Amino acid sequence: QVQLVQSGAEVKKPGASVKVSCEASGYTFTGYYIHWVRQAPGQGLEWMGWSNPNSGDTNYAQKFQGRVTMTRDMSIITAYMDLTRLTSDDTAVYYCARGFGGGAARPFDIWGQGTMVTVSS
Amino acid sequence: EIVMTQSPPSLSVSPGERATLSCRASQSVSSNLAWYQQKPGQAPRLLIYGASTRATGIPDRFSGSGSGTEFTLTISSLQSEDFAVYYCQQCNNWPLTFGGGTKVEIK
Repeated sequence: QVQLVQSGAEVKKPGASVKVSCEASGYTFTGYYIHWVRQAPGQGLEWMGWSNPNSGDTNYAQKFQGRVTMTRDMSIITAYMDLTRLTSDDTAVYYCARGFGGGAARPFDIWGQGTMVTVSS
Repeated sequence: EIVMTQSPPSLSVSPGERATLSCRASQSVSSNLAWYQQKPGQAPRLLIYGASTRATGIPDRFSGSGSGTEFTLTISSLQSEDFAVYYCQQCNNWPLTFGGGTKVEIK
């Protein structure tokens, strides 16, 4: 079935970086944008950006520009989100999600299970 | 950035009753509005897109309406599995933004 499977929980120290993976299956990986959304504990959803698995193009929310990099490895049908210079405010569940129906500005019909990233000294 | 405001923040409803959730955009998003349901410990699930189209597999007790800046999600007869947090999202302008959520609780 169509699914996105993310890597496991991470604990990082302030100033470190984290790389979360998102493996796609059950559909044509290059046909849909992958978005990244995060959710701090007890809080709402925050969109971080998208990557186009076909072209490698990316678009990041201004808040994360300079700290986030979204990439993909087509050989293993996996998208990645790399976030640097972590602070305690980056403690959150990070989700990858597929843009529905192609195109960048689309709702998200398939979500990964989420990856908890904890930033603590 | 378009700000999405959901009301009320929480809603207590008895099973079998109707629930009406609102979402307002700070500027027009046309019909590029989606609704999601999120249960504790789970990822969000797409319910409605294009303001009023149900996603695959979503029961017809869920309906969406509105355009421009004012949107509504209606759950016609709440079932036990519908108690959750609901988020709206605009997909019209970058950055994509979500509302703060409405928690639907059992009365």
